[in-house]
Amino acid sequence: DAKTTQPPSMDCAEGRAANLPCNHSTISGNEYVYWYRQIHSQGPQYIIHGLKNNETNEMASLIITEDRKSSTLILPHATLRDTAVYYCIVRVRNTAGNMLTFGGGTRLMVKP
Amino acid sequence: NAGVTQTPKFRVLKTGQSMTLLCAQDMNHEYMYWYRQDPGMGLRLIHYSVGEGTTAKGEVPDGYNVSRLKKQNFLLGLESAAPSQTSVYFCASSYVTLDQPQHFGDGTRLSIL
Repeated sequence: DAKTTQPPSMDCAEGRAANLPCNHSTISGNEYVYWYRQIHSQGPQYIIHGLKNNETNEMASLIITEDRKSSTLILPHATLRDTAVYYCIVRVRNTAGNMLTFGGGTRLMVKP
Repeated sequence: NAGVTQTPKFRVLKTGQSMTLLCAQDMNHEYMYWYRQDPGMGLRLIHYSVGEGTTAKGEVPDGYNVSRLKKQNFLLGLESAAPSQTSVYFCASSYVTLDQPQHFGDGTRLSIL
């Protein structure tokens, strides 16, 4: 799986959009970009994923650059409950034994 | 929906004791996984299963055994607990098709003295 690079920490004001970047310059054509988050003491929570098109769901939007070498997770209206560590993961689609590799992630602090 | 449920949530063991962690999912997922997470580190895959009656080793399988007798349940066993197995254990499940993500339980916090 391709390696990802994320900033270690970010702050965001409550109610504002949180834009979390991820670099994955070695991504290959069959690898998807996944975003998970882990709120303290809880299990990782799936947020969104995509291959090359931008994606949106009830939680967030995922913007993938045309060359697919980077992406941005957007939380449109961050709340205090969005404070968590956010992980960008690049991997091929689900195959047997293809575990998720969680790197350092970005610790997002949403402030009042 | 309950999603992925892990029991127990907390447990303290003495070195050499045995125990079983239970993971149950109600999403009819084919794949199930056991991970461990140590402080300040990412998740590491212990064992996984691609269907009822089948299991396979992950990245760190030593000291653990698993069984999947029913599609919805995946058990993780420690035959003789060691302090190095003190960790938070997460179970996950997913569909087998295409790009489906993994869904996680809230973890079991295990301390071995």
